[in-house]
Amino acid sequence: DTGVSQDPRHKITKRGQNVTFRCDPISEHNRLYWYRQTLGQGPEFLTYFQNEAQLEKSRLLSDRFSAERPKGSFSTLEIQRTEQGDSAMYLCASPRKGAMVTGELFFGEGSRLTVL
Amino acid sequence: DQQVKQNSPSLSVQEGRISILNCDYTNSMFDYFLWYKKYPAEGPTFLISISSIKDKNEDGRFTVFLNKSAKHLSLHIVPSQPGDSAVYFCAARSYSGGGSEKLVFGKGTKLTVNP
Repeated sequence: DTGVSQDPRHKITKRGQNVTFRCDPISEHNRLYWYRQTLGQGPEFLTYFQNEAQLEKSRLLSDRFSAERPKGSFSTLEIQRTEQGDSAMYLCASPRKGAMVTGELFFGEGSRLTVL
Repeated sequence: DQQVKQNSPSLSVQEGRISILNCDYTNSMFDYFLWYKKYPAEGPTFLISISSIKDKNEDGRFTVFLNKSAKHLSLHIVPSQPGDSAVYFCAARSYSGGGSEKLVFGKGTKLTVNP
């Protein structure tokens, strides 16, 4: 148990619907990351927050994707008008306390999205 | 372009023998390198890391070697156990003074340890 919780674990939706994923990170850390993993690929960076500020977004994050982190605690990742290409595992991660120097990220178990 | 490359999609070894997983990178500005292990339907689990100023780091059965001149690192698992069967990802930390900090991952190598 890494202390990073994600919900839901699995979401099946029809193309065109909106979906939202939630992440509750390790409580004492102010950084939170979202990654996406598709079949046969490694995790790909999407975006990260320091407290409530979104500091960087990947070009993978199209305008159908939006992430928020109100009050610097939990975070949500919303995908609007889902497409079949959005089917993937969405991973949330945060560093453990003291790991900023070494770059270690602790990942949640992921939210798997299947778009039919 | 892929900055972290794992050229072997799969590796099969016998229990008790050594497993060697390889990784190459292109960005000389990476400052830390990490290995993660992933089981199906779970998130990646951190295994071991190494600073770019070191050439070796050891933790139990796991040793990571870094060759900066070749931009190459490897993970050695000795002795290999069936429970080590998983997908292993190599990752590198990209850090800039402007506050951008993230891990860049390879595509992974699936290790199978046969009893």
